[in-house]
Amino acid sequence: SSELTQDPAVSVALGQTVRITCQGDSLRSYYASWYQQKPGQAPLLVIYDKNNRPSGIPDRFSGSSSGNTASLTITGAQAEDEADYYCNSRDSSGNHVVFGGGTKLTVL
Amino acid sequence: QVQLVQSGAEVKKPGASVKVSCKASGYTFTSYSINWVRQAPGQGLEWMGWIGTYNGNTNYAQKLQGRVTVTTDTSTTTAYMELRSLRSDDTAVYYCARGISGSYLYYFDYWGQGTLVTVSS
Repeated sequence: SSELTQDPAVSVALGQTVRITCQGDSLRSYYASWYQQKPGQAPLLVIYDKNNRPSGIPDRFSGSSSGNTASLTITGAQAEDEADYYCNSRDSSGNHVVFGGGTKLTVL
Repeated sequence: QVQLVQSGAEVKKPGASVKVSCKASGYTFTSYSINWVRQAPGQGLEWMGWIGTYNGNTNYAQKLQGRVTVTTDTSTTTAYMELRSLRSDDTAVYYCARGISGSYLYYFDYWGQGTLVTVSS
């Protein structure tokens, strides 16, 4: 079991906005980061340090946090955004690292 | 550019050991930790552990303590992950990833391509 909880699946209409959430007690103390993973590929960092985007990540991706919940928002979802999304953070002890179980995003 | 290049796929029998390598380039190797993350077929990501490449300090997931060892060779900027006493549920793609740590965060900015380890009799 993971210390970070994500909805298994979310769908969004093309061009609409979708929010993917990640819940866990450790998020009250530590920032979440977010990864996109497409089939057969390694994960790709899309948001770090709560709401920073690595170079090359479109600005339609953004992150936020409140209490024990972190969110990844895609504003104007594109077909190429269809993928699995994972959050990660330190665990509650701060000594280890945890991932959420992942959310499969379908763009309709 | 930063690259992490892993060794090729492995097939092992239950009870055997496997050692996967991760060759880093394009940055100062000892400035960042190297982490190992695995993903069983159709499943999510599981953090296995990290090594501080500057001092060799290690930190492993409790679930794998005693079965996993991560090492580095700074002369070749290569990290290694050895997993012993393999079981069928160790079948997974194993990734190395560069770690960025801070007081309030820990994330992975570059990943290797992954190495499939299959455990089967």
